[in-house]
Amino acid sequence: DAGVIQSPRHEVTEMGQEVTLRCKPISGHDYLFWYRQTMMRGLELLIYFNNNVPIDDSGMPEDRFSAKMPNASFSTLKIQPSEPRDSAVYFCASSPRLGLGGELFFGEGSRLTVL
Amino acid sequence: GENVEQHPSTLSVQEGDSAVIKCTYSDSASNYFPWYKQELGKRPQLIIDIRSNVGEKKDQRIAVTLNKTAKHFSLHITETQPVDSAVYFCAASLTGNQFYFGTGTSLTVIP
Repeated sequence: DAGVIQSPRHEVTEMGQEVTLRCKPISGHDYLFWYRQTMMRGLELLIYFNNNVPIDDSGMPEDRFSAKMPNASFSTLKIQPSEPRDSAVYFCASSPRLGLGGELFFGEGSRLTVL
Repeated sequence: GENVEQHPSTLSVQEGDSAVIKCTYSDSASNYFPWYKQELGKRPQLIIDIRSNVGEKKDQRIAVTLNKTAKHFSLHITETQPVDSAVYFCAASLTGNQFYFGTGTSLTVIP
């Protein structure tokens, strides 16, 4: 397996524009997570899915953020409209299980810069 | 929910010295504690983990200790090398629940 695949790797956009980040998890992994990484806050969980169903979205900062997982092999994180404070690295991760032995496999990340 | 605190936020050591990173957690029910290493510009990757029924685990130069009573766990790196320079994240998890991460420790090993 190629691992968790994210796109784009880098995105530079202007304030107010819509941003869509994409993720392909490892085949067979039932859990998918979206994290945001900043210097100030480290790794913040935004939302996670189990079998394509959103389980906990309490980390989504505000209504401008939305995430979907239409099938087991694809997820999107959308920001509309984007703001400069959204600039961060967004990681997608997948895992075969939670808790004991549930290793998180991260993608390479999508570095978002909002001007 | 669980709250994980990690210290220090930055750490510099001379090559060959030991490095210790400490984390505390709030939920006594948490039973799984992984550590992730993130090299500059790379993705976080699991380097070692420990379960709540174990007090210590070693893997070559790295070891993790867990004190359930005090609700803290630590990462120990001995004989540090420049390749150990990275950001290290601790996490706590309860079976069937999500991972809660600390804010990270940036370790620099000075040659």
